[in-house]
Amino acid sequence: DAKTTQPPSMDCAEGRAANLPCNHSTISGNEYVYWYRQIHSQGPQYIIHGLKNNETNEMASLIITEDRKSSTLILPHATLRDTAVYYCIVRAEGDSSYKLIFGSGTRLLVRP
Amino acid sequence: GAVVSQHPSRVICKSGTSVKIECRSLDFQATTMFWYRQFPKQSLMLMATSNEGSKATYEQGVEKDKFLINHASLTLSTLTVTSAHPEDSSFYICSARWFQPQHFGDGTRLSIL
Repeated sequence: DAKTTQPPSMDCAEGRAANLPCNHSTISGNEYVYWYRQIHSQGPQYIIHGLKNNETNEMASLIITEDRKSSTLILPHATLRDTAVYYCIVRAEGDSSYKLIFGSGTRLLVRP
Repeated sequence: GAVVSQHPSRVICKSGTSVKIECRSLDFQATTMFWYRQFPKQSLMLMATSNEGSKATYEQGVEKDKFLINHASLTLSTLTVTSAHPEDSSFYICSARWFQPQHFGDGTRLSIL
């Protein structure tokens, strides 16, 4: 699976949009981009995933560049409860192991 | 609500004890379950992949005789840490999948005294 690169930490003000970048320059054509987050002392929580089209759900939006070498997770109106470590993971859907390999992620701090 | 239940949430026990952690998928049958370990201030590290009715596949460096995994049904996988020692103290997290996306339990914090 392709590796991802994320900034180690970011912060944003409560109520503002949080834009979390992820580089995956070696992504293959059949690899999806997944985003999970981990709030302190809890298991990871699924946020969103996509292949090449932009995706939106009730939690966030995922913007994938046309060349698919990077993506941005957008939390449109960050709250204090969004403070967490955010993980960007790429994985092929044809991979029979279905393993999710976590990198170091981005620690997002939402400031009051 | 939670789709993967993990029990217990916290265990404190003496060195040399064996500890069993349960992972259950709720409302769906998990063909594959995964076990992760996370040390403080570190990311999740995949320990093993468990398929129902077959032997678990362990990641490199994970001792299969130390960490026994049983996946006897489509809704239950167990991880037993045998003869636990203080260095086994960690946050253990399971994950289950049927269709996408993969869901995670809330973890078990294991402390070995």
